Amino acid sequence: DAEITQSPRHKITETGRQVTLACHQTWNHNNMFWYRQDLGHGLRLIHYSYGVQDTNKGEVSDGYSVSRSNTEDLPLTLESAASSQTSVYFCASSESTSGSGQFFGPGTRLTVL
Amino acid sequence: AQSVAQPEDQVNVAEGNPLTVKCTYSVSGNPYLFWYVQYPNRGLQFLLKYITGDNLVKGSYGFEAEFNKSQTSFHLKKPSALVSDSALYFCAVRDRRDDKIIFGKGTRLHILP
Repeated sequence: DAEITQSPRHKITETGRQVTLACHQTWNHNNMFWYRQDLGHGLRLIHYSYGVQDTNKGEVSDGYSVSRSNTEDLPLTLESAASSQTSVYFCASSESTSGSGQFFGPGTRLTVL
Repeated sequence: AQSVAQPEDQVNVAEGNPLTVKCTYSVSGNPYLFWYVQYPNRGLQFLLKYITGDNLVKGSYGFEAEFNKSQTSFHLKKPSALVSDSALYFCAVRDRRDDKIIFGKGTRLHILP
């Protein structure tokens, strides 16, 4: 069955370190998204991609970057982790066709000490 | 810019009673509207969507939602609540001009036995 996976599921890191969160989908979807979930803020869009070599900034992109070298993967990199980036991160994918919803991964809980 | 509002942080309903989780939206033109549910330590799961046509949309687990264009609302409903419906519910809107989905802050639904 097609799915979307994230790794690691839990990560503890120190301020200033570079961290990469992986997202892999086997739906063959063109669209992929990264969100962070924080109490009181719901889900906020970090970056998104409409296809290979395409990336776009979302609502809260500062301090994050993504790259899309193939259809299946959209890794999220925190260039220099900050305590404000402690959060739960969700990856999602969707078809390009109008009206399609998104499929979500299980999430990565990141703690920056 | 598109936006979604869920005016209630938490809704408490007795088991067996009808439930409503409110959502209003703002978007240019005609929207795509979605409801997602999140169980503890899990990613979001798609419940239902409104694209066009009948204003009453039926989805998973007995949920339905009513699209009201004049009130720009898309409230989630269920005729008889179950304890297992207790979860975090997110309303989302997608502008037809692009593939981004904007989420509300979520409403925590507690079904009391």
